[in-house]
Amino acid sequence: NAGVTQTPKFQVLKTGQSMTLQCAQDMNHNSMYWYRQDPGMGLRLIYYSASEGTTDKGEVPNGYNVSRLNKREFSLRLESAAPSQTSVYFCASSEAGRDGGYTFGSGTRLTVV
Amino acid sequence: SQQGEEDPQALSIQEGENATMNCSYKTSINNLQWYRQNSGRGLVHLILIRSNEREKHSGRLRVTLDTSKKSSSLLITASRAADTASYFCATGPGGSSYKLIFGSGTRLLVRP
Repeated sequence: NAGVTQTPKFQVLKTGQSMTLQCAQDMNHNSMYWYRQDPGMGLRLIYYSASEGTTDKGEVPNGYNVSRLNKREFSLRLESAAPSQTSVYFCASSEAGRDGGYTFGSGTRLTVV
Repeated sequence: SQQGEEDPQALSIQEGENATMNCSYKTSINNLQWYRQNSGRGLVHLILIRSNEREKHSGRLRVTLDTSKKSSSLLITASRAADTASYFCATGPGGSSYKLIFGSGTRLLVRP
């Protein structure tokens, strides 16, 4: 099925550990995004990539890095995890200018202890 | 900071009733979108309304946009238990990046 695939679905990290969240889309979309969702809140933009080869900071980029590996893949890296990064992370993609909106992955639930 | 703020935060209705959710935003927009999120799942795009449109329909969904008041409403008619979910508005500033800013959502419970 066409869509956005995120791995892993669940992860528990110890404070200070690092990890990379993977995201891939097969819809040939130019733009990709990483959001985090905390209880009772909407989604906050961490980083985005308007097109292959470009990345930009969103609202809450501190503690994260991203890589737009190719048109399909956009990864999010936590270099030194902190308890404040416990959250659900969503990757999304879109084709700018179209009426289809964003397509979201099913999320990665990350707990930092 | 959140661009869109939904009202109410939570809504409980009986199956068959209509559900209305409101969204207010702060800055000028190119478009406004509504998304649904079922518990533990990703968001699903429902409908997009452009800044030069006032009303849009899709099945049982009706969206209105009032740019002078910087507000939008989502109406779900003849609600079903399967409509139970959180609903988010998101505003698009436009441009090539098509970056969306999401509100905090309305939790809708439709009782059978």
